[in-house]
Amino acid sequence: GAVVSQHPSWVICKSGTSVKIECRSLDFQATTMFWYRQFPKQSLMLMATSNEGSKATYEQGVEKDKFLINHASLTLSTLTVTSAHPEDSSFYICSASRDGTEAFFGQGTRLTVV
Amino acid sequence: DAKTTQPPSMDCAEGRAANLPCNHSTISGNEYVYWYRQIHSQGPQYIIHGLKNNETNEMASLIITEDRKSSTLILPHATLRDTAVYYCIVRLRSNDYKLSFGAGTTVTVRA
Repeated sequence: GAVVSQHPSWVICKSGTSVKIECRSLDFQATTMFWYRQFPKQSLMLMATSNEGSKATYEQGVEKDKFLINHASLTLSTLTVTSAHPEDSSFYICSASRDGTEAFFGQGTRLTVV
Repeated sequence: DAKTTQPPSMDCAEGRAANLPCNHSTISGNEYVYWYRQIHSQGPQYIIHGLKNNETNEMASLIITEDRKSSTLILPHATLRDTAVYYCIVRLRSNDYKLSFGAGTTVTVRA
């Protein structure tokens, strides 16, 4: 089946620094990718829609200047958490759909801000 | 997308069938029922989807009631590796593939 890969799987960063997370569709092209965030013992919450060649669309309450999304090619979207703080510590997950029938998810990135 | 209701948790014995219910009483005629699962600390995994007919694949079976207001995901022979949170999601089938996740059902398979 189609594969979506995220990198890194986990990252620890200092408060105030920025962290970039990559999401790649390995065997298909994805004009649209999605970014989710999941806090412990909670469900996934959609953060934003990443559109290849155009600006991302953010869900209500998600700060676009804090969570920078770049979708520079049909196989790569990046999420940059800028000026990270401990409350940004979470599990970040991306997804992409090859043909609209099912979504494939990355393995997730565990971000810990200390 | 229509709202879904699932039990918060359920236990299942290894080797037995696991039947996971989902209510979606406000589903519209062109909305599909999708099931995903999330094993601890991993991204969600697609299981199966259907519109109105029952569906079966190598992972599971999906039984949708005739009025489409509820469905059941069946894992025919549960294994310890099936322990996960299972999400029932109702959505239109489109290329705009963003999903709205509820709380899901935490399924624990016991030896």
